[in-house]
Amino acid sequence: QVHLVQSGAEVKKPGASVKVSCKASGYTFNSHDINWVRQATGQGLEWMGWLNPANGNAGYAQKFQGRVTFTRDTSTSTAYMELSSLKSEDAGVYYCARSDCTNSRCEYHFDFWGQGTLVTVSS
Amino acid sequence: DIVMTQSPDSLAVSLGERATINCKSSQSVLYNSNNRDYLAWYQKKPGQPPKLLIYWASTRQSGVPDRFSGSGSGTDFTLTISSLQAEDVGVYYCQQYYSPPWTFGQGTKVEIK
Repeated sequence: QVHLVQSGAEVKKPGASVKVSCKASGYTFNSHDINWVRQATGQGLEWMGWLNPANGNAGYAQKFQGRVTFTRDTSTSTAYMELSSLKSEDAGVYYCARSDCTNSRCEYHFDFWGQGTLVTVSS
Repeated sequence: DIVMTQSPDSLAVSLGERATINCKSSQSVLYNSNNRDYLAWYQKKPGQPPKLLIYWASTRQSGVPDRFSGSGSGTDFTLTISSLQAEDVGVYYCQQYYSPPWTFGQGTKVEIK
């Protein structure tokens, strides 16, 4: 069955960077886009962007442009999200989520999610 | 960006009773070329990731109980839980995937009365 397993909780200082991993199993990694969604502390869900694991192409929500980078390692079926210049408002839980894709066509509702990674930003 | 607005923010329903959550988008999420509404619903429980319940506004995800149903088109949508069970307590979110950035509603908290 499909699993997305994320890396553990992180504590970072303001201005630092954080890198979260998302290891996929149970399906063909290259066949489904990986999205990143965050829930800042006390807030709702916010989509950050997508990654195409097959070619490494990524798209970012404007709010995060220039501060976030998505990468992947196809040899380990792992996607990564790196967020830089952390602020206190970036504290929260970060999720990877799989797009529902069929025959190379992806729809951006999210059928499987990682368990979430808590990021704490504190001096 | 398409703004998704849910109502109410919270509701308390007795076990076995109906729960209704509304979601309104700031512009239509109906794609005329395929007559599909690009609207999904998720359930989120504390300490767990969101779970996809409904997509295309009314298609139930595999394994989701049939007491969950979605309706609506264009800009106005509804998630209905026909007979609330204790395990349905949580926060429910709508999401549009018609136009990036994909956006979520603010969430509706469902509790037992």
